[in-house]
Amino acid sequence: GAGVSQTPSNKVTEKGKYVELRCDPISGHTALYWYRQSLGQGPEFLIYFQGTGAADDSGLPNDRFFAVRPEGSVSTLKIQRTERGDSAVYLCASSSHSPGQFIETQYFGPGTRLLVL
Amino acid sequence: GENVEQHPSTLSVQEGDSAVIKCTYSDSASNYFPWYKQELGKGPQLIIDIRSNVGEKKDQRIAVTLNKTAKHFSLHITETQPEDSAVYFCAASYNNDMRFGAGTRLTVKP
Repeated sequence: GAGVSQTPSNKVTEKGKYVELRCDPISGHTALYWYRQSLGQGPEFLIYFQGTGAADDSGLPNDRFFAVRPEGSVSTLKIQRTERGDSAVYLCASSSHSPGQFIETQYFGPGTRLLVL
Repeated sequence: GENVEQHPSTLSVQEGDSAVIKCTYSDSASNYFPWYKQELGKGPQLIIDIRSNVGEKKDQRIAVTLNKTAKHFSLHITETQPEDSAVYFCAASYNNDMRFGAGTRLTVKP
């Protein structure tokens, strides 16, 4: 079946600009996660959604980063006033995990490679 | 919070040999330990996982062992093939707080 998809696959922007990154999770997955991966590093947690609500946003580095999931499916990660240090691969994952249940496998998308010039 | 360390950072083996990657974690509450394979330009792909009530799990050429007392777990790949070349990440998780190691770049030489 269809996996997690992310668009765009690549994004080049200038310092100070606003960007939006989109994630389409696996159909039926209620849990959605955003990670950031810098070159040569493992994915770093940013935010976790359960349905429409952000259950844990403790990984967002500062208030320039924001994410939404208004209908409990597609999610958008928004970055304001981009900085060169925001350049990284932004990964999205989804799982069938529900609160109170044992953790389920997270399935990752291909990522969006963001380059801030 | 959880801290995951992964060794080695690079590993080169001859085709047919075995490869072992080791990880340690700090939070004794962690109860789920997946391993991901990431190829260039792609997202991480789950290859095997283990839960805290199991000490070992095997899937064909891949096996994972978990020692909860020592807080370490390992990935074993036997009969390595060139297509096993990739970056491998371990992770440790409690609830939905998943932390990844820094990765191991595995090269299998034909």
